[in-house]
Formats: sequence, C-alpha cells, structure tokens
Amino acid sequence: DTAVSQTPKYLVTQMGNDKSIKCEQNLGHDTMYWYKQDSKKFLKIMFSYNNKELIINETVPNRFSPKSPDKAHLNLHINSLELGDSAVYFCASSQGGRYTGELFFGEGSRLTVL
Amino acid sequence: GENVEQHPSTLSVQEGDSAVIKCTYSDSASNYFPWYKQELGKRPQLIIDIRSNVGEKKDQRIAVTLNKTAKHFSLHITETQPEDSAVYFCAARASGNTPLVFGKGTRLSVIA
Repeated sequence: DTAVSQTPKYLVTQMGNDKSIKCEQNLGHDTMYWYKQDSKKFLKIMFSYNNKELIINETVPNRFSPKSPDKAHLNLHINSLELGDSAVYFCASSQGGRYTGELFFGEGSRLTVL
Repeated sequence: GENVEQHPSTLSVQEGDSAVIKCTYSDSASNYFPWYKQELGKRPQLIIDIRSNVGEKKDQRIAVTLNKTAKHFSLHITETQPEDSAVYFCAARASGNTPLVFGKGTRLSVIA
C-alpha cells in the first residue's frame, strides 16, 4: 500500500523530447507537490496544487506543466527536454489545508536527458 | 520569500558521538520547522518537526531546538549509529500561501 507512488522510476530520453511523470496518492490529502532534486541534492519546490488551485514557482520554465485529473493525481509534463532538466523529481502530498502538515514523498523519478 | 541556510554541508562523526546540524531562516512569520532524512537512493522522510510555539522537542536520540528571536533551529542526534548516515534537510514554512522551503542538506557520515 504505497502512499505516494510515481511512475516511471527511471526515464532516459533525448534532448528535445516531451515526457510525462505520473503521481498518485491514496492518503486522501488535499495538496500535492512536485519537487526537483538536482545533483547536489538540493530540493526545490516546482508546483503545488490544492483544490484546483495551482501555485507555480516563478523560476520554473514554462516547458514544465502540471496536470491534475483529480484530487489524487498530479502529473508532470515536460516539453522540449534540455540537459539541465536531468534530476530526480519527487511528488509529495500533505493534509490539513494548503501547506500545513507533514509532506509524504513518492520514491522519486530519475530523469536523464542525453 | 523564505530562505533557509543549512550548515555544515558535510559532517563526519565517530559512532557514539553527537551530531549537530544548524539552520537559519529569513522570514520571521515562519511557524513550522520540520527535519527530513534521506537515505541513499530513497525518498526524504520526516524525522521530527517543531512549531513556533515550542522551544525544544525530543524523540529518543533526536532533538530539535528553535530560537525564534535569532531565527535559527538545530537538529541534535546523540549516540550516533551507522544507520544515521544519510542526508538531512531542514525546512521552514512561512505563514500564508507558501510551501516548505528546504535547506541545501547535510550529508552525515557515522564512522563505525
């Protein structure tokens, strides 16, 4: 019973391609997030999504777009992949209203752009 | 927005010794300060957290202290064990509509 699950776990692709990472949570949480962890292990917020309200980190390129078909899913779509997009992407969720409560992370999706 | 600084970036201790990791934050309105542990190749997981109405919190071998005036908080691990080796992240959340902001992490190595 994985609480937050992401697929795929590994993704290797060429520059210029478009790819998606899926995320699902079965915790009944209100808010979901995407974080990017670069090679130096720095965890940086990309998006948060709560009750159809999307908050975007202004530093995220518009090639990245989150899509939420329902409260339990927040997928990440990336257009025109670049070398610098190589990282581990973590989906997370939390309960208790926007930005309150413990973050539960998925296992991460390691994206490698060649 | 909130900015969280974390030190040191790497820390090596002998098994049984104590380890201390320190963080500072910029937004005086921040009210929630969690610590996450990330083992190699795994997801970050919450180990302890503290809210701004509390100065110290303990859970077995780990403790967190908060100094709101100075805007800094620390993680203390006593009697370290090899399984404590991991990357530790502090984080802070400002009040209002902002998500958790993480420090850059501390890689702790416990040498047996």
